[in-house]
Amino acid sequence: NAGVMQNPRHLVRRRGQEARLRCSPMKGHSHVYWYRQLPEEGLKFMVYLQKENIIDESGMPKERFSAEFPKEGPSILRIQQVVRGDSAAYFCASSPPGTIVNEQFFGPGTRLTVL
Amino acid sequence: AQSVTQPDIHITVSEGASLELRCNYSYGATPYLFWYVQSPGQGLQLLLKYFSGDTLVQGIKGFEAEFKRSQSSFNLRKPSVHWSDAAEYFCAVGARRISNFGNEKLTFGTGTRLTIIP
Repeated sequence: NAGVMQNPRHLVRRRGQEARLRCSPMKGHSHVYWYRQLPEEGLKFMVYLQKENIIDESGMPKERFSAEFPKEGPSILRIQQVVRGDSAAYFCASSPPGTIVNEQFFGPGTRLTVL
Repeated sequence: AQSVTQPDIHITVSEGASLELRCNYSYGATPYLFWYVQSPGQGLQLLLKYFSGDTLVQGIKGFEAEFKRSQSSFNLRKPSVHWSDAAEYFCAVGARRISNFGNEKLTFGTGTRLTIIP
């Protein structure tokens, strides 16, 4: 059973460009979470999605950031008009469906560098 | 809102020595607690978790953690560290969501960097 997959692993963008980060959850997992890790900091929650639904986006910046998890295909975190402050590692995690808190399985992350 | 404090930013221990990494949480009910380890440039790997029951939890790689409600702590311990344990360690707390969805975001501490010296 393959783990959580993220691509690309490294992404370089110039200011003003768009960044698209992809996450494929583990097989059988229908819950996806995105976290951001700034240098020398812990992970900060951004958004929690299920298939075709955003459940909690309380950690998402109000502008330029969006996320989706379509019925088919990976979850996408999109950052429009990137700025230098968006440089960070972005981690995706997934968990299986259930009614109690399940552990979240993390992907290797996408390291975004904005020039 | 829940929060996690890891008071030690950086800890250095000798190989073979014992280890304790501190974690204090703030949450209004019984929390769900996790310890993750992150090697440089890598993702996070779960070491252990506490949901309920026995307050002493055993994890992988010889790690254990003890949940102490009275102290709001969930410290990570290992009796004898190995050079391969050098990494960043994150404590996290999760809440049970009052809905049909069940799952909830994790709130992480800022991490403790562990250095092992020969």
